Amino acid sequence: EADIYQTPRYLVIGTGKKITLECSQTMGHDKMYWYQQDPGMELHLIHYSYGVNSTEKGDLSSESTVSRIRTEHFPLTLESARPSHTSQYLCASSEWWVPSPLHFGNGTRLTVT
Amino acid sequence: AQSVTQLDSQVPVFEEAPVELRCNYSSSVSVYLFWYVQYPNQGLQLLLKYLSGSTLVKGINGFEAEFNKSQTSFHLRKPSVHISDTAEYFCAVSAQGAQKLVFGQGTRLTINP
Repeated sequence: EADIYQTPRYLVIGTGKKITLECSQTMGHDKMYWYQQDPGMELHLIHYSYGVNSTEKGDLSSESTVSRIRTEHFPLTLESARPSHTSQYLCASSEWWVPSPLHFGNGTRLTVT
Repeated sequence: AQSVTQLDSQVPVFEEAPVELRCNYSSSVSVYLFWYVQYPNQGLQLLLKYLSGSTLVKGINGFEAEFNKSQTSFHLRKPSVHISDTAEYFCAVSAQGAQKLVFGQGTRLTINP
C-alpha cells in the first residue's frame, strides 16, 4: 500500500486553465520530489524540497511551481496549462538524501487539450 | 555529471525463462546504483541497490544485479521470470555525496505465457 498519495489520478483539461496536482505523504519525510515521466524517456527531476519552506528547481526546466508549507504536503501548480505540459507527473519522498530510497506515488497523468 | 543508458527499450521473454536487463552508466566519481520497478498504473518502487562491498546485489522478487566497475555496468538478472514480473524497469545512478538520482530511459519487460 502507498504511503504517498497523489490526486487526481487522471486529469484532462483545456489550454489556459490553472491546475494543481496534489501530493501528500504520511511518513514524515523531509525530502520530497516531483518527476516528469514521458513514455520511453527517463524520469526528469523538475522540483525538490529539503523541508518546510524550502524548494529548488530540478534538472529539467519546468513552468510549474511548487510550495512546501507543511511537511506532508508538496503540491505542484501550473498557472496556465498548455498541450506541451501533457505528461505523467510522479511525486516522491525520502527520509534522507541518496542513497535513501525514494517512495513514489502512483502518479498523475495530465492531458492538456 | 552522471548519466545512465539502458540498452534495451523492450525485452520480451517467455515465462520461466531467464532475463537480463542491461544498464551502463558514466561517472567520473564513485557512484551508488539502483534498480526501480514500475508495475502498470503504479509508481516506482525500489528493487535493489548497490552502495559498496559485494558486487552481487540481491533484491526483492528474486532479482539480482552485478556491479562491474571496469565495464561501468549494473545489469539486472532473474533466472526464471513470472507473468507478474511484467513491468517497466529503471536503472538509476547517483554520485556519492550527491542529492539526486539520474534515471535511465526504462526497459519494458513483457512476459509471454
